[in-house]
Amino acid sequence: EDKVVQSPLSLVVHEGDTVTLNCSYEVTNFRSLLWYKQEKKAPTFLFMLTSSGIEKKSGRLSSILDKKELFSILNITATQTGDSAIYLCAPTNFGNEKLTFGTGTRLTIIP
Amino acid sequence: EPEVTQTPSHQVTQMGQEVILRCVPISNHLYFYWYRQILGQKVEFLVSFYNNEISEKSEIFDDQFSVERPDGSNFTLKIRSTKLEDSAMYFCASSEGGTGKNIQYFGAGTRLSVL
Repeated sequence: EDKVVQSPLSLVVHEGDTVTLNCSYEVTNFRSLLWYKQEKKAPTFLFMLTSSGIEKKSGRLSSILDKKELFSILNITATQTGDSAIYLCAPTNFGNEKLTFGTGTRLTIIP
Repeated sequence: EPEVTQTPSHQVTQMGQEVILRCVPISNHLYFYWYRQILGQKVEFLVSFYNNEISEKSEIFDDQFSVERPDGSNFTLKIRSTKLEDSAMYFCASSEGGTGKNIQYFGAGTRLSVL
């Protein structure tokens, strides 16, 4: 059975701080790992990672994958109140298309 | 920007009633999915659909559930006889599919309340 563990479960920081969110996974026949941001409703796509060691960046957000150690991190620099959300990671594997989500990290940014 | 749309945004029903949740996936996408999220819990996979048939389903997706693509644009989830424990947010998602194109885009969800 696929497993996804995210840490920390909850994080409260002040605006301007940098945060690192962790995702470890165990899946058979790994294909990719996706990060999503969930505010009030639907998860919105952030990154898809397929190769180890290649950082993906989008503004203040960046993410990297380690396929040997089976984890990924999501970094957010210079956090803003709009970054407050639940951040979800989900690995996928070859042979099916489903996403297996972790419980997420609830990030709260204090002004 | 293309998006997945879901209707209704909120559905209230009595236990034992049938409900149909509707989704319009992104137009050039070939893979369609339903997920659900019970309040305070993880987003859970229900079913995936490709080429007019179910490609995978979870243990949650029992005989009470069915999916259909009745025309070229809509994708529906039917729950035949709702139970209290079916109360959840139901998300539809779609993806292009294929190598490097398995990013799933989610709709805003339908909140189902079973009374």
